[in-house]
Amino acid sequence: EDKVVQSPLSLVVHEGDTVTLNCSYEVTNFRSLLWYKQEKKAPTFLFMLTSSGIEKKSGRLSSILDKKELFSILNITATQTGDSAIYLCARANQGGKLIFGQGTELSVKP
Amino acid sequence: DTGVSQDPRHKITKRGQNVTFRCDPISEHNRLYWYRQTLGQGPEFLTYFQNEAQLEKSRLLSDRFSAERPKGSFSTLEIQRTEQGDSAMYLCASSSAAGTGELFFGEGSRLTVL
Repeated sequence: EDKVVQSPLSLVVHEGDTVTLNCSYEVTNFRSLLWYKQEKKAPTFLFMLTSSGIEKKSGRLSSILDKKELFSILNITATQTGDSAIYLCARANQGGKLIFGQGTELSVKP
Repeated sequence: DTGVSQDPRHKITKRGQNVTFRCDPISEHNRLYWYRQTLGQGPEFLTYFQNEAQLEKSRLLSDRFSAERPKGSFSTLEIQRTEQGDSAMYLCASSSAAGTGELFFGEGSRLTVL
């Protein structure tokens, strides 16, 4: 099965720090790359990326995809304690199925 | 609330018992997915339906697992003869085939097998 690899697996920062989360994937049958945030419950959608080099932004979060090097990054600026969560990266194939990475557990300390 | 709903939210059972989970997707969504998530791991694909047709089933899914979506609306996931290794969160998600590809997840059903 095609793999999605996220790094780091866990990260502890202080409020106000900027973080970069990484996601690499294998290319077979690629449709899009998605980022989700998971607190104690269901994953909630953040971004979907289909084209290289186009940054998607939502408030303090942004993400970009590099289809040549097969990776994506998720940036969070001016982190807040409410950003503490597991961030999941997933590759979608043409049929819509998502293959998830292990996730990055982010902990933001006051 | 018109999101994906799952029932029950928590289930504790003894090894060897059968359990069934139900998922009600967002009403206009024709695709429905089941995932399993254990601590420290991302969701792992189990199976998915387009309308009532089961289009793909993970090789990880043993014969003890079966899923149905008889009328193309709600779905059930049954685990027979549960084992302790089945303890996990079972997540259901739905999407529209004509949509952007984003999956909408339910809150999950947490299974504990004693």
